[in-house]
Amino acid sequence: EDKVVQSPLSLVVHEGDTVTLNCSYEVTNFRSLLWYKQEKKAPTFLFMLTSSGIEKKSGRLSSILDKKELFSILNITATQTGDSAVYLCAVAYSGAGSYQLTFGKGTKLSVIP
Amino acid sequence: GAVVSQHPSWVICKSGTSVKIECRSLDFQATTMFWYRQFPKQSLMLMATSNEGSKATYEQGVEKDKFLINHASLTLSTLTVTSAHPEDSSFYICSARVGQETQYFGPGTRLLVL
Repeated sequence: EDKVVQSPLSLVVHEGDTVTLNCSYEVTNFRSLLWYKQEKKAPTFLFMLTSSGIEKKSGRLSSILDKKELFSILNITATQTGDSAVYLCAVAYSGAGSYQLTFGKGTKLSVIP
Repeated sequence: GAVVSQHPSWVICKSGTSVKIECRSLDFQATTMFWYRQFPKQSLMLMATSNEGSKATYEQGVEKDKFLINHASLTLSTLTVTSAHPEDSSFYICSARVGQETQYFGPGTRLLVL
């Protein structure tokens, strides 16, 4: 059973569009939610969210967490072709006495000129 | 800061041989490193958690005798794929834990076993 579910699985938009990527989770002993961007190689860190309702922002990217409804969104405004990548959501939680990080399957974003 | 390197980037080997992959934290010390495997068009799957100075903790279904992990220092963890077979061909990625939860990833190693 998937603990972290991302939607949509794939998305194609035109440059300049705004996109919203979704991540819902179901874990006990939640610690934080992390967003990563994966192009051809390993994921690069975008955001870590621990508190509800506080928006994290970096340039055209922003993200927010809702711990009551158990989801997070990642927004990208004025998309560019360089934003094309797989965006991964991961949830850190305490399991079996240790720290665990579980990834969703990712959302593949394609930005076309 | 928080740069993680992996070596090699690419490796092609014959079936039955062993392959060692190194993961280094370049500008910080990492008591905990993680090893992931990623198959095409799939997400990252955690293989094991590597703690400096102690035995690695393996995820269910991962053979510890096949995937040997050594975390000999605070900046180096190694993964050795022993007696590699074609089904071991994958993208292997390490990460190092920084602070409470954030993990920074190495660039990954693509393994192709012929």
